[in-house]
Amino acid sequence: SAVISQKPSRDICQRGTSLTIQCQVDSQVTMMFWYRQQPGQSLTLIATANQGSEATYESGFVIDKFPISRPNLTFSTLTVSNMSPEDSSIYLCSVLSGLDYEQYFGPGTRLTVT
Amino acid sequence: GNSVTQMEGPVTLSEEAFLTINCTYTATGYPSLFWYVQYPGEGLQLLLKATKADDKGSNKGFEATYRKETTSFHLEKGSVQVSDSAVYFCATNTGGFKTIFGAGTRLFVKA
Repeated sequence: SAVISQKPSRDICQRGTSLTIQCQVDSQVTMMFWYRQQPGQSLTLIATANQGSEATYESGFVIDKFPISRPNLTFSTLTVSNMSPEDSSIYLCSVLSGLDYEQYFGPGTRLTVT
Repeated sequence: GNSVTQMEGPVTLSEEAFLTINCTYTATGYPSLFWYVQYPGEGLQLLLKATKADDKGSNKGFEATYRKETTSFHLEKGSVQVSDSAVYFCATNTGGFKTIFGAGTRLFVKA
């Protein structure tokens, strides 16, 4: 298993500004994932972050809007840039662990853009 | 591509009622199947899993059986409690890094 913490847990931001979300894992992992969960919706994968390489973004998400850093095997950040109200969501960090590909999630960052 | 379809919510039940949340999947190969639960204000957590046909995953009174012939993994609980109120996500992974999640089913349990 893996224990994941995220900071901040929530924030209210002005449109046009940027917010960086931190994700810390209690063990070394190869892949970390960033998801967005809009109110009442399922999870949408934003990108996969491997240590030492560029993040891989899913269709509809771009690096300029959601830059990701992965400086080591236990830490990653996601920045939401030039925010608009449409970016109001819960952002979740996740890792795969175990032989059966179960995922472990952080508690999420609840972002409101005004 | 792989996909997961689960019953739409919300599902509203009285305490001690029987719960079924339907889930069907399409996948190539031999996927692992999962149910995740998201309590209010929290991230997702793994509830149970099954990795091969006819396996039964169970946890906290919840059960789901991997039915390859019907490509289903329905979640059941014999007697729900108010504390089971949450959103439940069915998911599949065929051994790669990408997990496919269903849309989620919100469960409300009334006292």
